[in-house]
Amino acid sequence: DQQVKQNSPSLSVQEGRISILNCDYTNSMFDYFLWYKKYPAEGPTFLISISSIKDKNEDGRFTVFLNKSAKHLSLHIVPSQPGDSAVYFCAASSLNRDDKIIFGKGTRLHILP
Amino acid sequence: DAGVIQSPRHEVTEMGQEVTLRCKPISGHDYLFWYRQTMMRGLELLIYFNNNVPIDDSGMPEDRFSAKMPNASFSTLKIQPSEPRDSAVYFCASSLGGTGLPVDQPQHFGDGTRLSIL
Repeated sequence: DQQVKQNSPSLSVQEGRISILNCDYTNSMFDYFLWYKKYPAEGPTFLISISSIKDKNEDGRFTVFLNKSAKHLSLHIVPSQPGDSAVYFCAASSLNRDDKIIFGKGTRLHILP
Repeated sequence: DAGVIQSPRHEVTEMGQEVTLRCKPISGHDYLFWYRQTMMRGLELLIYFNNNVPIDDSGMPEDRFSAKMPNASFSTLKIQPSEPRDSAVYFCASSLGGTGLPVDQPQHFGDGTRLSIL
């Protein structure tokens, strides 16, 4: 039973447009959420995070939105650039449970020229 | 500033053989995690250590899998005997503090070991 779900295995977006990656979760006890980015033959790298007490966090071209009532978060990349082509993992964790991060299966983003 | 170092980068071996994957975490990090990535299951946590002590190994798939952390700078993940279904990319990650701490202390991943069991 997956607690963090990324239902789109892949997404293609034109360069310069907005990329929106979605993530759903089932555990209302999660306290914060993270996005990791992964290039081929490399390990995932931390991109951006958001606490459950917020509904938006912005860092440059990257913005994460959290809708707690819908148990949904999304990562917006604008404008999309060729270097954004990668696999993006959504992840979640709980401050009061343990030290584990639960990852989704990832979404492969292709930025088209 | 060296990151998490994993070896080997690629391993190809025959079914039934013992496989040992190695990880050197970032110096000073007190948490170490082992993950496995497959197409079907995505990125799943196998086991993690805090101050060299295994905290949660509930993700270890079978008794064929074992992990050790003899000191703060080294960990191994061993599969014995290996099977074709163990083929995956195995990642090691380390962090300063567990995920219960502020999110500006995320996990740092190594580049992984791509394991192929024939």
